[in-house]
This record gives sequence, structure tokens and C-alpha cells, in this order.
Amino acid sequence: GENVEQHPSTLSVQEGDSAVIKCTYSDSASNYFPWYKQELGKGPQLIIDIRSNVGEKKDQRIAVTLNKTAKHFSLHITETQPEDSAVYFCAATISGGSYIPTFGRGTSLIVHP
Amino acid sequence: NAGVMQNPRHLVRRRGQEARLRCSPMKGHSHVYWYRQLPEEGLKFMVYLQKENIIDESGMPKERFSAEFPKEGPSILRIQQVVRGDSAAYFCASSVGTGENTEAFFGQGTRLTVV
Repeated sequence: GENVEQHPSTLSVQEGDSAVIKCTYSDSASNYFPWYKQELGKGPQLIIDIRSNVGEKKDQRIAVTLNKTAKHFSLHITETQPEDSAVYFCAATISGGSYIPTFGRGTSLIVHP
Repeated sequence: NAGVMQNPRHLVRRRGQEARLRCSPMKGHSHVYWYRQLPEEGLKFMVYLQKENIIDESGMPKERFSAEFPKEGPSILRIQQVVRGDSAAYFCASSVGTGENTEAFFGQGTRLTVV
């Protein structure tokens, strides 16, 4: 089955800095990679996703990149704000198949004002 | 369009009791997934269901745990004879499930505490 590794487990930045979270996956058949943000006491919220037919996707201050050859993908947050502080999860799955997202262990992002 | 609804939000059970967790998927979604989250850990897949069918339960413990998604009503995750190790947050997600629109949306979770 799919195995997703996520790094770092904790990331501390100053407000305004950029933050990068990296994930690798094992199943070359995976073609859909969502990212979720989980705030304390809440459920994970989908914030951005990328499919294997593109290498990069951007939505305002967040962007995701995908390298299919190396089987890794990354989340980039620019101009971080305190409200970006949360746990971020990456996931990998096969779109259109028996869709069962496999999640990384999460990255706790702390943005200091 | 309401999101994924889980209830209760918090559930306290004594060891040996049964816990029933409910999940109503988003309107139009027929695929439901249950995940368990332990403190400081990620989301561990438990079971994937479609209406009236269990598609994949490879993440479910073999004993005491069961899940259903009836034709009418919410999906239910049932834990019988709970033990302290069952204490965790249980999240349900739903999706349309096929083709390109396979985004999964999560509920707020049920936090189970076994005392």
C-alpha cells in the first residue's frame, strides 16, 4: 500500500517568513495529492490539492509543487501570518479508484508574531 | 449545503461500555471514510464505505470495531467493550468518490474518552 512520509514534524517561523513542508510517497500510481490544515479542536480542512498532470499550483499565499519522478511534493506558504499556525497534513491517493487517502504524520507550523 | 456532520463532538464512556459515533456525509456524497487520530499523530485510515457496502476495512481492528452506512441515515462507527486505548479523535470524511471529483471533506470529529 501507499506510504507517505512528511517533514518536518515541527516548523517554527517568524511572521512574514516563508514555510515549506515536504512529503514523499511510495506508490507511483498515486495521482492526487491534497493538503489539509487542522486547527486545534477542529477537523482537517482541505486547503489546496494537486493532480499528477501538473507540476505546480498556486492559490494566493500557498502553492504546491509535485515531482512525479522523485515521488515528492511540497507545500509552500509565503508571507506567513499567525493565523497560519496549525497542523498541516499531506496525503496521496489514486483519483477515480478506491479512493483512500493515505496521510503523512503532520507538521505543526507555529508562526510567531 | 451543510458540511460533514459528526455527533457527538465529545463522548465519555467507561471501560466495557459501547461507543456509537455518527457521521452524516455532505449532501450528494455517497462515500464515507473513518479515520482515527491519536494525540500528536496523524490520521490513520480505518474503513471506507459506500451506501450499504463496506469497500475496505483494512484499517479496522478485527475485534470490537464495526461500521455501517445504511441506505437511510448516517454512517455509524461502533466500538464495543471500549478500553482506554480507544481514547482518540475519530474523524469521518465524505466524497463524491469517483472520477476527478474525489476531494474528501472532513467533519469536526468525535473525541472519545474512555475512563
